[in-house]
This record gives sequence, C-alpha cells and structure tokens, in this order.
Amino acid sequence: EAQVTQNPRYLITVTGKKLTVTCSQNMNHEYMSWYRQDPGLGLRQIYYSMNVEVTDKGDVPEGYKVSRKEKRNFPLILESPSPNQTSLYFCASSGLNRGIDEQFFGPGTRLTVL
Amino acid sequence: DAKTTQPPSMDCAEGRAANLPCNHSTISGNEYVYWYRQIHSQGPQYIIHGLKNNETNEMASLIITEDRKSSTLILPHATLRDTAVYYCIVRVLNTGNQFYFGTGTSLTVIP
Repeated sequence: EAQVTQNPRYLITVTGKKLTVTCSQNMNHEYMSWYRQDPGLGLRQIYYSMNVEVTDKGDVPEGYKVSRKEKRNFPLILESPSPNQTSLYFCASSGLNRGIDEQFFGPGTRLTVL
Repeated sequence: DAKTTQPPSMDCAEGRAANLPCNHSTISGNEYVYWYRQIHSQGPQYIIHGLKNNETNEMASLIITEDRKSSTLILPHATLRDTAVYYCIVRVLNTGNQFYFGTGTSLTVIP
C-alpha cells in the first residue's frame, strides 16, 4: 500500500531533550516536506526537499533541522525542543514527474514539549 | 507563490451543493489553483487542481473565473463526511517548492 509513515505518532518530552521524528514514503517520490499545524494558524511549512541531499527552508524553519540522505526518508530533528514547538506535525511527499503535484500526507505526530 | 483569501467557515445542508470560494487576485500566469481538504486532524487530502479551464473529477468541480482572480470549489452533493477544512492554494505546477496552505475554510455539513 502506498503510504507515508511517521513515528512516533505521539510524543511528550521536556525542554532541551533532542528528538527526531521519522518520516518514510514508499512511493519513490522526489519531493518531501514537513508541516506544523497550530490552532488559528493553519498548516505552515517547516522544510522541504526536492530530492536526495537537497533541502530548503519553508515558512517556519527556526529550531528545526532536516536531512535527506535517502530518497524514502526525511527525518525532522529538534536539537533543543522548546514549549513553542508543541504542535501537530505532518510529513508529506509528492512525485515531481507526475504532472499532478498531489501531496500525500502522513498521519501526523502530536508533539508536546513541557 | 500568490496568497489566497477564503472565508473562515461555511455551513451546507446535507445533499445540497457546497460552493467554497477562494480569492487569489495576485495569481500569476503560470500558477495553478489547488484544493486540499483536512478532515479533523488527519493529514490533508488532495482534491483537484486547475489552471484556467473548469475541472471536474470524482470528488469535486473547480470553477475558475475568466480573469483567474477567484475560483470556487463545488461539492455537488455534500455529505456529512465532507465536513472538513478546505484549503485553496496557488502555486506553479510541479516546482516542488513552498506550499502555502493558509487557514482554509471550515465547512460543516448539516444533517
């Protein structure tokens, strides 16, 4: 089944404790992206990647890192999480050669930073 | 990419057509109009996209005005499962660059 998976789905952590949220897709998509969603602010893009070893900042990259060493994986790294990074996070992927530009989203990761 | 303006919320009676407007007055010639929706806190789902002609698929129809400054997503026979937040996005096709989702329109389908 074609899908985007994220782990963990739920995470409660404390300020300053480094964490990684993994994202993996099995559709051989070139494009992958991370979003955060907060009440009243909608979905905001954090980082995106157009292919392996190619990443770029979205709207709200501060406090986050990403890497794209393999085509299928696009982990989101919070080196020193803070309470303002408490949010619902979505990973998405898209095939750039499909001519549709449909993004497929993962199920979301709900992160709480105390 | 150009930004969009959508009403924050709308209601629609079950079985009736839901017409969701979007204003994109600064859209440029090579930017497409995309619609996604998000049911509760699930990941958003692609619905439809178009450039200047009206488009229809199994989920919805997209009507784009001749000057391309606004568009309407039409759900022809709304069901309770169509209750969701609907996002209108404009961007250049397949550039893989930034996506601006905004805050969307919260559609409530009423029994």
